[in-house]
Amino acid sequence: GAVVSQHPSRVICKSGTSVKIECRSLDFQATTMFWYRQFPKKSLMLMATSNEGSKATYEQGVEKDKFLINHASLTLSTLTVTSAHPEDSSFYICSASQPFLAGGGEQFFGPGTRLTVL
Amino acid sequence: DAKTTQPTSMDCAEGRAANLPCNHSTISGNEYVYWYRQIHSQGPQYIIHGLKNNETNEMASLIITEDRKSSTLILPHATLRDTAVYYCIRYSGAGSYQLTFGKGTKLSVIP
Repeated sequence: GAVVSQHPSRVICKSGTSVKIECRSLDFQATTMFWYRQFPKKSLMLMATSNEGSKATYEQGVEKDKFLINHASLTLSTLTVTSAHPEDSSFYICSASQPFLAGGGEQFFGPGTRLTVL
Repeated sequence: DAKTTQPTSMDCAEGRAANLPCNHSTISGNEYVYWYRQIHSQGPQYIIHGLKNNETNEMASLIITEDRKSSTLILPHATLRDTAVYYCIRYSGAGSYQLTFGKGTKLSVIP
């Protein structure tokens, strides 16, 4: 299957700083990428849908000015957590889709980024 | 709202078949059933999907009832590495191609 990478895998930062997480599709072009957040023992919650060359679509309750998403190319999307606070500590996961495959719901997920804000 | 119902947890003996049920009684005619799994602290992994017919691939089999109100994911010979949370997801492909994850089933494969 297709491979999606994320960088960094873990990051620890001080409260008030910004953190950028990269999501890359390594062997296919992804017109659509998704960003999820997962708190301990909870399911994945979709934060936003990122389309190459256009503004991201954010889910209700997700602050677009706090979670900046850029999808500048068909293989790279970035999530920047601005002015991070301890409550932003979570597991952030991206995925990329190939909607033109049969069914269209096959998404390829990155390994996730563990963010800890002190 | 994930709109599927799965048991919270299940155990399976290593080497035996693991049968994971999913109820999707309100599924629409154009919605597929997708299965993903998430091993601890990793990103989810696609397993299989189907619309009406049963499906099989190298990882698993998917059995969908004739009325499409429920399905069963079958791991034919479970190994310890199959211990994970398994998610059953309805997907129509319309609009933004989003997947909505429910709580899933925590499968524990026991030696």
